Amino acid sequence: KAGVTQTPRYLIKTRGQQVTLSCSPISGHRSVSWYQQTPGQGLQFLFEYFSETQRNKGNFPGRFSGRQFSNSRSEMNVSTLELGDSALYLCASSATGIEAFFGQGTRLTVV
Amino acid sequence: LAKTTQPISMDSYEGQEVNITCSHNNIATNDYITWYQQFPSQGPRFIIQGYKTKVTNEVASLFIPADRKSSTLSLPRVSLSDTAVYYCLVGDMLRTGFQKLVFGTGTRLLVSP
Repeated sequence: KAGVTQTPRYLIKTRGQQVTLSCSPISGHRSVSWYQQTPGQGLQFLFEYFSETQRNKGNFPGRFSGRQFSNSRSEMNVSTLELGDSALYLCASSATGIEAFFGQGTRLTVV
Repeated sequence: LAKTTQPISMDSYEGQEVNITCSHNNIATNDYITWYQQFPSQGPRFIIQGYKTKVTNEVASLFIPADRKSSTLSLPRVSLSDTAVYYCLVGDMLRTGFQKLVFGTGTRLLVSP
């Protein structure tokens, strides 16, 4: 069974640009969540999608948005990138809510 | 979600048993306790989950006292590959679904030869 797949693995962007990250959950998992991980702030919840609907949102500015498609794949978009957006972005999927399966993440560097 | 407190770091040697304790004084009746492991530049990996008493799987054991205000993750005979950050999470994920998993600072375990 394939795990959670995130693309791309690494990304370098310039301040002011926008970026889209992709996440393919484990087959059959309808819940997808996104997290930002930085050395200073640790793992912080961004948002959660379930059946194409955003179910929860963390405390991040509106520049961070996401969506989920009918096949449960999800994308996360960050507009007007800032240096502080440099982080490891993690996607996780779950079928039961008991166990969350994380992808390897996308390492975003903003220069 | 209940706030958790864990030691920032722990050191151990190969072959030893490691016990990491997590404090969660404000745990609610419906909350479960879940532990995750994370290696550098990888996503966290589920280790174990429990509600009360003791839970054991092939990787670890989880001890939860009757008042549920704390829990202890026990890793038997650790190896170098167990060097990682361990997170304790508390929440009612079964009822509310997978949402707002709150990862604290975690415990950085270093296993030496």
